Amino acid sequence: QVQLVESGGGVVQPGRSLRLSCAASGFTFSSYAMHWVRQAPGKGLEWVAVISYNENKKYYTDSVKGRLTISRDNSKNTLYLQMNSLRTEDTAVYYCARDPHGGYGFFDYWGQGTLVTVSS
Amino acid sequence: QSALTQPRSVSGSPGQSVTISCTGTSSDVGGYDYVSWYQQHPGKAPRLIIYDVSKRPSGVPDRFSGSKSGNTASLTISGLQAEDETDYYCCSYAGSYSYVFGTGTEVIVL
Repeated sequence: QVQLVESGGGVVQPGRSLRLSCAASGFTFSSYAMHWVRQAPGKGLEWVAVISYNENKKYYTDSVKGRLTISRDNSKNTLYLQMNSLRTEDTAVYYCARDPHGGYGFFDYWGQGTLVTVSS
Repeated sequence: QSALTQPRSVSGSPGQSVTISCTGTSSDVGGYDYVSWYQQHPGKAPRLIIYDVSKRPSGVPDRFSGSKSGNTASLTISGLQAEDETDYYCCSYAGSYSYVFGTGTEVIVL
């Protein structure tokens, strides 16, 4: 069965960096676009970034451009989110999600999420 | 990109129907037939219940249905059940490989 397992979250000071990982199994990872979606405590969902199946295309929400970088390693079935220059407003649960529509569709499977807390 | 507008909460008695609206613009909801809906229980990951405006993934009860008119999409839950009480979010493709979620709606089963 499809599984997505995030890791790498934790408490980090403003301005510092963190890298999140999402290990995929149960499907052909290299055939799917993948996304990161986040949810601040007690708030709604916010789309963060998408990467195409072959890493040729990457797109971000405006508030993270230049600071967060999405990438993938299809040989390891793993999605990444490199988070630099972190701000307190980046505090959220970060979910990875699969997109069966090639990057302009919807999210059919989600991981359980990993919490990132940016605080001094 | 502004969040899509959803009512803060809707309520209904068991067996009744409730409808959640999701209002955007011609740049998102009105411009594409790529509206999806997610159910999220507290502390859990979202679950896809509707995609491409009105399609249901396998395993989702047919009590859940979706539609769209102009810049507003809707999710209807028919035959409301106690386990339907939780949060629901709409989402729309907004062009140039970007997405926007709704503000979220709490469904209350009276």
